[in-house]
Amino acid sequence: DAKTTQPPSMDCAEGRAANLPCNHSTISGNEYVYWYRQIHSQGPQYIIHGLKNNETNEMASLIITEDRKSSTLILPHATLRDTAVYYCIVQVGLDYGQNFVFGPGTRLSVLP
Amino acid sequence: ETGVTQSPTHLIKTRGQQVTLRCSSQSGHNTVSWYQQALGQGPQFIFQYYREEENGRGNFPPRFSGLQFPNYSSELNVNALELDDSALYLCASSPSGSRFEQYFGPGTRLTVT
Repeated sequence: DAKTTQPPSMDCAEGRAANLPCNHSTISGNEYVYWYRQIHSQGPQYIIHGLKNNETNEMASLIITEDRKSSTLILPHATLRDTAVYYCIVQVGLDYGQNFVFGPGTRLSVLP
Repeated sequence: ETGVTQSPTHLIKTRGQQVTLRCSSQSGHNTVSWYQQALGQGPQFIFQYYREEENGRGNFPPRFSGLQFPNYSSELNVNALELDDSALYLCASSPSGSRFEQYFGPGTRLTVT
């Protein structure tokens, strides 16, 4: 079973920041937080990952609480192309047959 | 650099038949994983291959089997198809030494009637 809880759906106005929450209260010390997204009819796409510190890349920012029990993915200026299902995953690194356990994710709709 | 490709795009089979799905990994990627995604659900891990050996398996019965070839392409075989096998089948590859990123293909949509 997935170790994360996410809201099933969210709306965001185009051009505004989209803040997607994720709860992972049972996360272990060696588990990372990953975010992937899946645009309709495509395979999931890697967005970002982090362990303890906040992370930023060209796609998004990841804010992890100090106790690591929750995190937020931030899309700073959402566009219509960001409409997708966003998956938050906690997992150790992809070593020795480890693979991702996906939950149902959050369906983000970016509205014009 | 080409991404992960899968064939066929869509497939319709009858209950009890057998099916083979194919995946070509991204160049330089020696690890491939297969996932099953039912409608409205997140992907579920089936198994992983590393250097032609099965390297991990999810909660799927033995009628789900796979192969990885020396060029790191891969096949997923499903025997004795059941109606519940209808799903999107995703292949994902990872480069050697990468612990965090999997690159997914577009998937094969299998319908079992």
